[in-house]
Amino acid sequence: ETGVTQSPTHLIKTRGQQVTLRCSSQSGHNTVSWYQQALGQGPQFIFQYYREEENGRGNFPPRFSGLQFPNYSSELNVNALELDDSALYLCASSLDAYGYTFGSGTRLTVV
Amino acid sequence: QQQVKQSPQSLIVQKGGISIINCAYENTAFDYFPWYQQFPGKGPALLIAIRPDVSEKKEGRFTISFNKSAKQFSLHIMDSQPGDSATYFCAASRVSGTYKYIFGTGTRLKVLA
Repeated sequence: ETGVTQSPTHLIKTRGQQVTLRCSSQSGHNTVSWYQQALGQGPQFIFQYYREEENGRGNFPPRFSGLQFPNYSSELNVNALELDDSALYLCASSLDAYGYTFGSGTRLTVV
Repeated sequence: QQQVKQSPQSLIVQKGGISIINCAYENTAFDYFPWYQQFPGKGPALLIAIRPDVSEKKEGRFTISFNKSAKQFSLHIMDSQPGDSATYFCAASRVSGTYKYIFGTGTRLKVLA
């Protein structure tokens, strides 16, 4: 049984560009959530997908969007990147509310 | 009302000592309280969790104490080891609907050998 895998592990982008981050959920997990973790802070909820539908969204602007695929893998897209978007982006999968399994994250640096 | 306040920000403990991290929440609708451990360069890993219908849960050296009336919960690490050195996050969530976790700001624990 594999855990949650994210790609790429590191990424450097220029302000104004667009980025796509990818996540493969743990086998059998039908729910994927994305979190943003700024340096020295706790993760902040971006949104959650359940069976390919957005199931809830945190306080992030519409330029943060996502997708979930039939195999439950997921993408996070961020348009018009800003310097403040520099953070560790975490994907987490779960079957229910009792404990996410997090990936190791993608470190995004916007310059 | 969605905040989870965590303290201390950092903690240094001698090997074999007890590490205690505290969290407080405001939203009484929260009904699931996990603790996560995060090592540098890794994602958070679930350590232990509690529901509000019990006041204490113990798993090995890790214990959660929960005070529903005070809206506070804490993590106790007994016999702390250098390998426990990591950042610890408390979180709060509802188990129904969109179970988004509200995380605390983290506690950086260093256990001295």
